[in-house]
Amino acid sequence: DAGITQSPRHKVTETGTPVTLRCHQTENHRYMYWYRQDPGHGLRLIHYSYGVKDTDKGEVSDGYSVSRSKTEDFLLTLESATSSQTSVYFCAIGDSSYEQYFGPGTRLTVT
Amino acid sequence: QKEVEQNSGPLSVPEGAIASLNCTYSDRGSQSFFWYRQYSGKSPELIMFIYSNGDKEDGRFTAQLNKASQYVSLLIRDSQPSDSATYLCAVIGNQGGKLIFGQGTELSVKP
Repeated sequence: DAGITQSPRHKVTETGTPVTLRCHQTENHRYMYWYRQDPGHGLRLIHYSYGVKDTDKGEVSDGYSVSRSKTEDFLLTLESATSSQTSVYFCAIGDSSYEQYFGPGTRLTVT
Repeated sequence: QKEVEQNSGPLSVPEGAIASLNCTYSDRGSQSFFWYRQYSGKSPELIMFIYSNGDKEDGRFTAQLNKASQYVSLLIRDSQPSDSATYLCAVIGNQGGKLIFGQGTELSVKP
């Protein structure tokens, strides 16, 4: 998975609780991305980062925030989880804004 | 109209045949095109990218791009059961930097 890990790999949480997902890379790539994948919707971009402390919104950013204080780590936070945020979350990295390599994914269930 | 469209399938081909996967996109200014393969329960894996009109070959895979008709295709020659997966088409649009994915085409190669 191109030196990229995600934690946790699986999580079950209750509605209204905060959740943080972590993406860690060992490739020193500049770009990092968070996607969610849902049946019928494919992969959708949540947020991305083009450098330390440089982030921007994607297509489905409502209810999510991100932080990147180090090159290697990109955190995705669900401030108050809802059932609609049940999904598989993928982190991706890239040395340019073009080719992206995906992590193993985190399966999140909000009950 | 979706920005990137693919037939969801499933597309079923016999072992040894040519599998043809198609993708159309709406942004005429798109410059970069990617094919990802995703096995069930796994993360997407980049298998091909193409930037110029015409064909690009890599082993059994050929990507074809026709910017005038706004479509990109992936041909898999001598299909194997191990090629059974969902194939995702992705495009970087005119706004730059962000991959836009189609919903994917499920391919099944029957022995």
